[in-house]
Amino acid sequence: EAGVAQSPRYKIIEKRQSVAFWCNPISGHATLYWYQQILGQGPKLLIQFQNNGVVDDSQLPKDRFSAERLKGVDSTLKIQPAKLEDSAVYLCASSLSLQGQGEKLFFGSGTQLSVL
Amino acid sequence: DQQVKQNSPSLSVQEGRISILNCDYTNSMFDYFLWYKKYPAEGPTFLISISSIKDKNEDGRFTVFLNKSAKHLSLHIVPSQPGDSAVYFCAASASNFGNEKLTFGTGTRLTIIP
Repeated sequence: EAGVAQSPRYKIIEKRQSVAFWCNPISGHATLYWYQQILGQGPKLLIQFQNNGVVDDSQLPKDRFSAERLKGVDSTLKIQPAKLEDSAVYLCASSLSLQGQGEKLFFGSGTQLSVL
Repeated sequence: DQQVKQNSPSLSVQEGRISILNCDYTNSMFDYFLWYKKYPAEGPTFLISISSIKDKNEDGRFTVFLNKSAKHLSLHIVPSQPGDSAVYFCAASASNFGNEKLTFGTGTRLTIIP
């Protein structure tokens, strides 16, 4: 079974530039998540999709971050303009469904973003 | 506000001995707890979980203990093996949030010494 695919693996940009990350979840997984992991911290949920609808984006900095999940499969996360504090690993995860007790997530390898 | 805390950033254990990783939480609404394991340059992978209706769950060398009154859980690895060297994240969710949102701790880096 193929896992969660993410690209690019690494990205280096200057502050105020824009950047986009792509995620392809495990086939058949209805729920998709984007997490931000800053060095030395645990992953923090940015946005959660159920199919192509947003379930939770309460911690997404909406003035600069945006995400979409067209057709309920692939997803992109965009930052525009980037700030130094956005340097982090951006993890995409998917799970079978929204229902269930603490359903475990399957994570991709992440995109490591460095903002200079 | 850190609702899930892992107060030990790192832990070193001799191969073959027991590794004990600890996690504390503050939100009494949490009723499901998970441990994830992360190798460098990879995403976290699910290891073991426990519901609040239990106080222990065992899977091979891995056992998770939950003490609800103390809002504390621990992961025991026996015996520890070199391949267990990784960062371990504790995570929690609340079923009545309706969206299985996981709140993660800051992680503990476990090093198994051969």
